[in-house]
Amino acid sequence: SSELTQDPAVSVALGQTVRITCQGDSLRSYYASWYQQKPGQAPVLVIYGKNNRPSGIPDRFSGSSSGNTASLTITGAQAEDEADYYCNSRDSSGNPWVFGGGTKLTVL
Amino acid sequence: QLQLQESGPGLVKPSETLSLTCTVSGGSISSSSYYWGWIRQPPGKGLEWIGSIYYSGSTYYNPSLKSRVTISVDTSKNQFSLKLSSVTAADTAVYYCARASTNYDILTGYFYPRFDPWGQGTLVTVSS
Repeated sequence: SSELTQDPAVSVALGQTVRITCQGDSLRSYYASWYQQKPGQAPVLVIYGKNNRPSGIPDRFSGSSSGNTASLTITGAQAEDEADYYCNSRDSSGNPWVFGGGTKLTVL
Repeated sequence: QLQLQESGPGLVKPSETLSLTCTVSGGSISSSSYYWGWIRQPPGKGLEWIGSIYYSGSTYYNPSLKSRVTISVDTSKNQFSLKLSSVTAADTAVYYCARASTNYDILTGYFYPRFDPWGQGTLVTVSS
């Protein structure tokens, strides 16, 4: 079981805004990073730190954090955003890296 | 541009040891700012962090796998390796290597870990 909890599935209408969340005690002092994974492909980092996007990631992707919850927001979701999304942070036991269970995003 | 590439057998027999190597190109594995990690993903399931290593040989392992995992580094070849012993069918997965880091935001006092970039992954099947 993961110490970072994500909703298994979320859907969004094309062009609308969607928020994907990640909950865990460690998020009170650690930011989450977020990864997008499309079928048959390796995960790609889309958000890290307070709200940083690697080069090449569209600015419709943003991150935020409040209390024990980190959020990935996609503003104006596109068809190509349909993918699995994973959060990653430290766990409350002190292990430096742990992943959430993942959220499958469907763009309707 | 930093690139990582996994290599190793795609089929391992039960009870044997899974061995994979990650070759880093476009940068030095001896960078003081980064760890190097292994992550796996069973078919149809989520990501699981296996462990990470610093160029000096310092390691962190997932407690659930620690008794069976060894990660090592060869700075002369710019490679790091994974060994997972006593494998079962439950160890069948795509295995990824990635550069790992944990940085500190001095403005907020928060740390932020991340994996970037990743290798393309290699499927390892455990079967007789």
